[in-house]
Amino acid sequence: GEDVEQSLFLSVREGDSSVINCTYTDSSSTYLYWYKQEPGAGLQLLTYIFSNMDMKQDQRLTVLLNKKDKHLSLRIADTQTGDSAIYFCAERGRSGGYQKVTFGIGTKLQVIP
Amino acid sequence: NAGVTQTPKFHILKIGQSMTLQCTQDMNHNYMYWYRQDPGMGLKLIYYSVGAGITDKGEVPNGYNVSRSTTEDFPLRLELAAPSQTSVYFCASNLRDSAAFFGQGTRLTVV
Repeated sequence: GEDVEQSLFLSVREGDSSVINCTYTDSSSTYLYWYKQEPGAGLQLLTYIFSNMDMKQDQRLTVLLNKKDKHLSLRIADTQTGDSAIYFCAERGRSGGYQKVTFGIGTKLQVIP
Repeated sequence: NAGVTQTPKFHILKIGQSMTLQCTQDMNHNYMYWYRQDPGMGLKLIYYSVGAGITDKGEVPNGYNVSRSTTEDFPLRLELAAPSQTSVYFCASNLRDSAAFFGQGTRLTVV
């Protein structure tokens, strides 16, 4: 079945760049997403990329997609303490007639002041 | 717009009791989902619905039931609650081909 893998934890210093990586297995993926979850809150969509794109930039966020290797990354430039959260990678693929979304287990980003 | 609203935010349930977690969305989304989130396990899909009157099982449906009588509402029913159902439950919705919007979650403890 479909699988999405992420590392569990990343620690960076304030002002540095953060890079969160994700790999997925579903070759029928149409969209790939990054969600942010702050403590005690729901998941908030940060950004997404179509599977036919290589890169998408949105202010401090850069998403890179290597479709051949099924590798997705999220780069946060000038990381701030407010970026501390859990980041979920997710991919939308097809399972029969239903566009199933599979989530990774989340990467906890800790920003050290 | 309120988005996706879940109630209650917190609840303590005794083993064997039943309860319904409420979810409503005001965005006219046809797709709705229930997930549970356990520490270190990510999100697991319990049930989903592609429209009013249509529901289907996800990865972990045992012990749960859902209904979708209207586009807006997608309640999740727990029958005979068990400690293994202690979790944080998230409802989400989306239009076809769009990203999902999530509610704030319901933290449920079964004792």
